[in-house]
Parts: sequence; C-alpha cells; structure tokens
Amino acid sequence: QLVLTQSPSASASLGASVKLTCTLSSGHSSYAIAWHQQQPEKGPRYLMKLNSDGSHSKGDGIPDRFSGSSSGAERYLTISSLQSEDEADYYCQTWGAGIRVFGGGTKLTVL
Amino acid sequence: QVQLVQSGAEVKKPGASVKVSCKASGYTFTSYDINWVRQATGQGLEWMGWMNPNSGNTGYAQKFQGRVTMTRNTSISTAYMELSSLRSEDTAVYYCARASAHDYWGQGTLVTVSS
Repeated sequence: QLVLTQSPSASASLGASVKLTCTLSSGHSSYAIAWHQQQPEKGPRYLMKLNSDGSHSKGDGIPDRFSGSSSGAERYLTISSLQSEDEADYYCQTWGAGIRVFGGGTKLTVL
Repeated sequence: QVQLVQSGAEVKKPGASVKVSCKASGYTFTSYDINWVRQATGQGLEWMGWMNPNSGNTGYAQKFQGRVTMTRNTSISTAYMELSSLRSEDTAVYYCARASAHDYWGQGTLVTVSS
C-alpha cells in the first residue's frame, strides 16, 4: 500500500535552515513525490516535484531557498534562510497507477 | 498563465448533492489530468479522485466510490466534481488541481452541509 509518512511538526529559528522529511512506504522507494506549501488560511501551493535521484523541478516563482533531495525511500525539503512567511503546513504527495496519496503534513513553526 | 478558477461557496442540506466546477485556462485542457482534493477545517489534504479530460476516464478514492462523479466539458475547458448523499462530515474546502503532481491549484470552494 502506497503511504507517505511525515512528522507532524517541526520548528527552526528565523534565518536558519530546516529539513523536512517524507518517507515512502516499503516497495515504493523509486517513486517521485511533490511538495506543497499551505500558509495559514490559504490554499495549497505547489513547490516542486522531486525524483528518486534527487533531481527536482520547482513551481513558478518558488525561491531558491527551497530545495529538494532524496535518499532511498526518504524525500527531503530543505528551506534555507527561513523567513516568517515560511511558517506553514508542508505536504508531500505522490502518485501511482490511478491513485494519488498525501502525507499527513508537517506544521513548520518559525521561531 | 495557468489558472484554475472554481465556482463559489455552497450550502447544502444533508442528503443533497453538490456540483463544483473548475475552469482551466492558460494551457491545453485535455493535456493534463484534473484531480479533486478536499480539506476539512483543521485537517490535512484528502485526495478524492482524478479525471482525464481527454478521454473522460476517471479514478476515485475508495472512500468516495459510489458517491462522487467527475466529468468535464472540453468545449469550455471545465471540469466538474459532483458529490451526492451529503452529510455533515462532507463540510470542507474542495480543490481542483492539475496533473499527477498537482502543479496548479484552484482557489478552493467551501461546501457547507447543514440542516
């Protein structure tokens, strides 16, 4: 069964970096994922598509501070030079034959 | 630029149906799947299903099978999601999103189910 697992929360200081993790279920380590950001009271925004080899393609207007990487079944989103507007929920999402799956989301607090 | 523009908020009674539209512009409508995702207040994103606008083929999450229907009108580049037998737990914001990676999102449509 295709499942994505995320930690419910993370925090980091203003100006620092943070690395969020999304883990693919067993047998699905080759899958690409997408990262989405949802700021408070707003709709989701596509950040990037992240492949199993770590290559990624970002959405329109996504700053260079956002980057992605992969290792095995883990997919990472790194945000550098944290700003207050980065405080948001971050969702990973993947897809297979006729199915799409979201992770539970990580709530990022910028201290 | 790519845009997905959804229809306005709806208030429905339990047992009724709701139909939400998603009008695409800025790209060839039939070239990318349309997905529907919902989010209840304070909850995460929940994928409901997808539709291929070219063929009309659909795939629904098991939870919604039998209650959801996704259609399209290619002449006006618009996708539709109809949810029937509404209950209070269906109160949520409903989003359409383009392609498997959900690379563009609609602005969301609030559907409130209340007697």
